[in-house]
Amino acid sequence: EPEVTQTPSHQVTQMGQEVILRCVPISNHLYFYWYRQILGQKVEFLVSFYNNEISEKSEIFDDQFSVERPDGSNFTLKIRSTKLEDSAMYFCASSVGQGRGTEAFFGQGTRLTVV
Amino acid sequence: AQSVTQLGSHVSVSEGALVLLRCNYSSSVPPYLFWYVQYPNQGLQLLLKYTSAATLVKGINGFEAEFKKSETSFHLTKPSAHMSDAAEYFCAVSGDNAGNMLTFGGGTRLMVKP
Repeated sequence: EPEVTQTPSHQVTQMGQEVILRCVPISNHLYFYWYRQILGQKVEFLVSFYNNEISEKSEIFDDQFSVERPDGSNFTLKIRSTKLEDSAMYFCASSVGQGRGTEAFFGQGTRLTVV
Repeated sequence: AQSVTQLGSHVSVSEGALVLLRCNYSSSVPPYLFWYVQYPNQGLQLLLKYTSAATLVKGINGFEAEFKKSETSFHLTKPSAHMSDAAEYFCAVSGDNAGNMLTFGGGTRLMVKP
């Protein structure tokens, strides 16, 4: 069964360093998303991406963050100059369409710890 | 704007007992509602969704949920809990724009006792 895969599963980084979280969406999906969940808090939407452009982003997704689809398979989230409060589980998701009822398929997440 | 509230961050039931996980939503447009499950070390998996068709929605693994507009609720139930149902469950509402942004509740961890 097709699935969204994320690497690495765990990432520890020092404050101020840049990190790149990687995702391989399901191959025929066209819409890609990043969500995050800070420990003990809700899963929060960060950004959606379609046709090599950001289609929506939340207030959390500031200039510190960027997304890219560098090739035909990967979808990455870059966090520049990480802060302690960036420690969270980051989920990638993809969907075939963007209609409100379209199922988003999630990866298993990358746990980012900033020390 | 939309929001989701899940009452009870932890729910414990005995094996074979009824499972009831509560979800209330707020949405400025007719909502599309989802329940996701997360097993340990796995991603979020869709259990079921409501997209304005039948108000009683059946999902995988014997779960179902009923959309009640008057109560702004979308509670998840299963008649008989199984040990394998132990997981975290998330209720979510789809955004009130044309996109597919999901707003999640805080999650409910279901524990099943033998």
